[in-house]
Amino acid sequence: AAGVIQSPRHLIKEKRETATLKCYPIPRHDTVYWYQQGPGQDPQFLISFYEKMQSDKGSIPDRFSAQQFSDYHSELNMSSLELGDSALYFCASSFRGGTDNEQFFGPGTRLTVL
Amino acid sequence: AQKVTQAQTEISVVEKEDVTLDCVYETRDTTYYLFWYKQPPSGELVFLIRRNSFDEQNEISGRYSWNFQKSTSSFNFTITASQVVDSAVYFCALSGTGFQKLVFGTGTRLLVSP
Repeated sequence: AAGVIQSPRHLIKEKRETATLKCYPIPRHDTVYWYQQGPGQDPQFLISFYEKMQSDKGSIPDRFSAQQFSDYHSELNMSSLELGDSALYFCASSFRGGTDNEQFFGPGTRLTVL
Repeated sequence: AQKVTQAQTEISVVEKEDVTLDCVYETRDTTYYLFWYKQPPSGELVFLIRRNSFDEQNEISGRYSWNFQKSTSSFNFTITASQVVDSAVYFCALSGTGFQKLVFGTGTRLLVSP
């Protein structure tokens, strides 16, 4: 079965650079969630989208922005990167016509900021 | 606000021992969902179980079992006859209904030695 696809899987950036993370949900899924997991930490919710509209927002820095496109894929844009942005970024997807709150996680993108 | 507490930071056992991972949650919602995820050293989040707050039946899946007690707001996870491959970080998580974000506990690192 198709799973959530995240690209790239690994990304290395310098401080103050910009990064773009992409998430391709499972076909037919209309909701996307982004989570950030720092080293040794638990995943923290950043933001979610349903039908291309932002549906919820967590502790996402102002330097980050995200959107969901017409094909339901989502991108997380991160500017002025800081060392503390080094983390594993997970995307998850759901289908609101399916089982309530069943979120399928992608493999994650590991971002390293040097 | 929702909160998940995993008081055990790290547990070490020898293969074939049984081990229980504790999870205590807080929520004002009357309907909610509880989850357990496994995160092996490779980093991906592996879904183990999703439980509706109205379903207090315990569940067994192979060597895994879950004990949900609404009266004590706990959702504990037991691995019977542990194996080295069970070594990972285990996260308990909570969400409300309506495709809300997941709130994770801080995780319990399980180390199973031969």
